Amino acid sequence: GENVEQHPSTLSVQEGDSAVIKCTYSDSASNYFPWYKQELGKGPQLIIDIRSNVGEKKDQRIAVTLNKTAKHFSLHITETQPEDSAVYFCAAVTLGDYKLSFGAGTTVTVRA
Amino acid sequence: EAQVTQNPRYLITVTGKKLTVTCSQNMNHEYMSWYRQDPGLGLRQIYYSMNVEVTDKGDVPEGYKVSRKEKRNFPLILESPSPNQTSLYFCASTSDSLATYFGPGTRLTVL
Repeated sequence: GENVEQHPSTLSVQEGDSAVIKCTYSDSASNYFPWYKQELGKGPQLIIDIRSNVGEKKDQRIAVTLNKTAKHFSLHITETQPEDSAVYFCAAVTLGDYKLSFGAGTTVTVRA
Repeated sequence: EAQVTQNPRYLITVTGKKLTVTCSQNMNHEYMSWYRQDPGLGLRQIYYSMNVEVTDKGDVPEGYKVSRKEKRNFPLILESPSPNQTSLYFCASTSDSLATYFGPGTRLTVL
């Protein structure tokens, strides 16, 4: 099955700086890569996703990049704000499936 | 508002006492699933359902049952809960475009 590795496990950044989280996947048949933000006491919330036919996608301060050859994808958060503090999960979905294979998560802390 | 709801949000029970966690979605999605979240182990799929009356095991199905009698509801059943099922449970609903939406979670403690 699919195996997703996520780094770093914790990330502390100064407010206004950028944060980058990286994930690698094992199954070359994976074609959908969502990112989730989980705040304390809440369920994971989909914040951005990318499909295998796209190299980069942006949504305001959030961007995701995908390198299919290397089988890795990254989340970039620019101009970080205190409300960006949360646990972020990457995931991968194999072609023809719906199941999410999650990374272990990154706890992001934005220091004021 | 598009949403996934689940109840109860918190539950403390004892070993062997059957319980059901309800889940409902209002997005008319065919695919629904249950995940459990444990420290150090991340989110793992328990069961999923492709459509009404179609369910199948995920990665960690032991000790759980599900049913899908209606499209909007997908309850998770623990017929004889054990302490190792103490966890945070999430119901999820997935669109045809693969976007998955999670419920708010149920924190279960089995004593």
